[in-house]
Amino acid sequence: KAGVTQTPRYLIKTRGQQVTLSCSPISGHRSVSWYQQTPGQGLQFLFEYFSETQRNKGNFPGRFSGRQFSNSRSEMNVSTLELGDSALYLCASSRDGSYNSPLHFGNGTRLTVT
Amino acid sequence: GENVEQHPSTLSVQEGDSAVIKCTYSDSASNYFPWYKQELGKRPQLIIDIRSNVGEKKDQRIAVTLNKTAKHFSLHITETQPEDSAVYFCAAIYGNNRLAFGKGNQVVVIP
Repeated sequence: KAGVTQTPRYLIKTRGQQVTLSCSPISGHRSVSWYQQTPGQGLQFLFEYFSETQRNKGNFPGRFSGRQFSNSRSEMNVSTLELGDSALYLCASSRDGSYNSPLHFGNGTRLTVT
Repeated sequence: GENVEQHPSTLSVQEGDSAVIKCTYSDSASNYFPWYKQELGKRPQLIIDIRSNVGEKKDQRIAVTLNKTAKHFSLHITETQPEDSAVYFCAAIYGNNRLAFGKGNQVVVIP
């Protein structure tokens, strides 16, 4: 069974640009969550999607947005990039987001903003 | 708010010794507490979890204990091995079904 797949693995962007990250969950998983990981800050929750609907949202500015498609694949978009957006962005999937089944993480997309 | 704190931030242990990491949480309604291990350059992976109706859970060399009254839970690793060197994240689920993570503990096992 294939794991959670995130593309691309690495991205370098300049301030002011926008970026789109992609996440393909494990087959059969309908919940996709996104996290930002920075040194010393741990994993900060961005948002969670289930059946194409955003079900939960963290405390990030509106420049961070996402969506989920009918096949459960999800994309995350960051507009007007800032230097502080440099981080590892992790996607995680689970069957239904209820935590009755484990959360599985992808390898992440490392975004560098210059 | 959603607050999960981990102590200590870095822990060095001799191979074969035990390691203990403690986490505290703020929401008394939290009922699910997973632990994730992240090796350098790899994805976080669930290693053990515990629900609020249980006080302790073991899986080979790893155990987790939960004290709901004090609102803290701990990860215990016995007979540590070099491959246990990693960053360990604790998490707690909050009432809005969001999983809040601690900032992580770097565990270094010295051969």
